Amino acid sequence: AQKITQTQPGMFVQEKEAVTLDCTYDTSDPSYGLFWYKQPSSGEMIFLIYQGSYDQQNATEGRYSLNFQKARKSANLVISASQLGDSAMYFCAMPLSGTYKYIFGTGTRLKVLA
Amino acid sequence: DVKVTQSSRYLVKRTGEKVFLECVQDMDHENMFWYRQDPGLGLRLIYFSYDVKMKEKGDIPEGYSVSREKKERFSLILESASTNQTSMYLCASSTWAGLAKNIQYFGAGTRLSVL
Repeated sequence: AQKITQTQPGMFVQEKEAVTLDCTYDTSDPSYGLFWYKQPSSGEMIFLIYQGSYDQQNATEGRYSLNFQKARKSANLVISASQLGDSAMYFCAMPLSGTYKYIFGTGTRLKVLA
Repeated sequence: DVKVTQSSRYLVKRTGEKVFLECVQDMDHENMFWYRQDPGLGLRLIYFSYDVKMKEKGDIPEGYSVSREKKERFSLILESASTNQTSMYLCASSTWAGLAKNIQYFGAGTRLSVL
């Protein structure tokens, strides 16, 4: 069965340092996408970055990048130069096979320290 | 930019009331979704719609219904609100970009308290 696993319930990082949030997945689909979302305390889910399974290069969006290792079925989010505003919950997600529905991981709460 | 607007950020209702949560998107997206989010349970899909007047049940549809009369608007209805429906409700929309690249865009959420 498809599954998204985020094993880090909470993490701390010092301001201006880089941090990696882990996400592993399980799917038998040959073509799939992986998505990362940020949810600040205000509640809105903000789309950050997308990685397609056939993309040749790891996705990057500003300070966000994906460390995509297909053989290991991992799609870790890397945030460089952390800022106080990066403190939030972060969710990894992928479409449920054959549908437009998502399955979500349980999330990682990131706290950036000044 | 895609904009998904939920009509209320905070809502307080009484047990037994009929509650309407409204969601409007401005990007002509075909798909719209309603989730609820609870601590320790993550995001759970209540209903989704892939076209006007079309709907499908998600994982937890009991106690809820939906309406999609226009493409841009997707309403979640609590027919008779109960205290166990106190939660954060999130609306999302997406387009037919292929299943693998189906980016969902979310609204700001509605925190509903049922007393």
